[in-house]
Amino acid sequence: KQEVTQIPAALSVPEGENLVLNCSFTDSAIYNLQWFRQDPGKGLTSLLLIQSSQREQTSGRLNASLDKSSGRSTLYIAASQPGDSATYLCAAAPGKLQFGAGTQVVVTP
Amino acid sequence: NAGVTQTPKFQVLKTGQSMTLQCAQDMNHEYMSWYRQDPGMGLRLIHYSVGAGITDQGEVPNGYNVSRSTTEDFPLRLLSAAPSQTSVYFCAAGQGLSEQYFGPGTRLTVT
Repeated sequence: KQEVTQIPAALSVPEGENLVLNCSFTDSAIYNLQWFRQDPGKGLTSLLLIQSSQREQTSGRLNASLDKSSGRSTLYIAASQPGDSATYLCAAAPGKLQFGAGTQVVVTP
Repeated sequence: NAGVTQTPKFQVLKTGQSMTLQCAQDMNHEYMSWYRQDPGMGLRLIHYSVGAGITDQGEVPNGYNVSRSTTEDFPLRLLSAAPSQTSVYFCAAGQGLSEQYFGPGTRLTVT
């Protein structure tokens, strides 16, 4: 069974610093990997989707990489802002989506 | 284009009551799924459907039923609510196993 791990569970950074969020998965035969953002009491917002044939995806200040051989994906958020404060979740899909527990990010002004 | 909608937003049930959580999507996506989110447990898949008339169990299906009579709707039924089903429920839709889009969630409390 695919297991997805996100470390650290929580992260606090000052505004302007770059954020690096890690996601590990045990089964390298994934179909794709998706990063989500969740604000308190809200649903999940899709940020980036990386297909298994891709190594990275970029959207604005966000960049996600995928290394299937090592079972890792990393989400980079450049020049963090207080509005980036949220919980970030990754989910791997070899079949059905398997979620990590998330990293709670606080960006302090 | 509303994406994925869920009703109700909040619900309180007594143990043993039944109810249906509604989920609808207007993107014509084949794949729909239900998750529950609990503190410390992350999101866990309850049931999913790959198209109208086809459903299957996920990781935590006990106590829940689903059906898929149309592409647009995928209701989740709780037959006899238990306190262990207190959770936040999310519905998602996607074109196959590509990008999944989530609804705003239903917060359910069973007393």
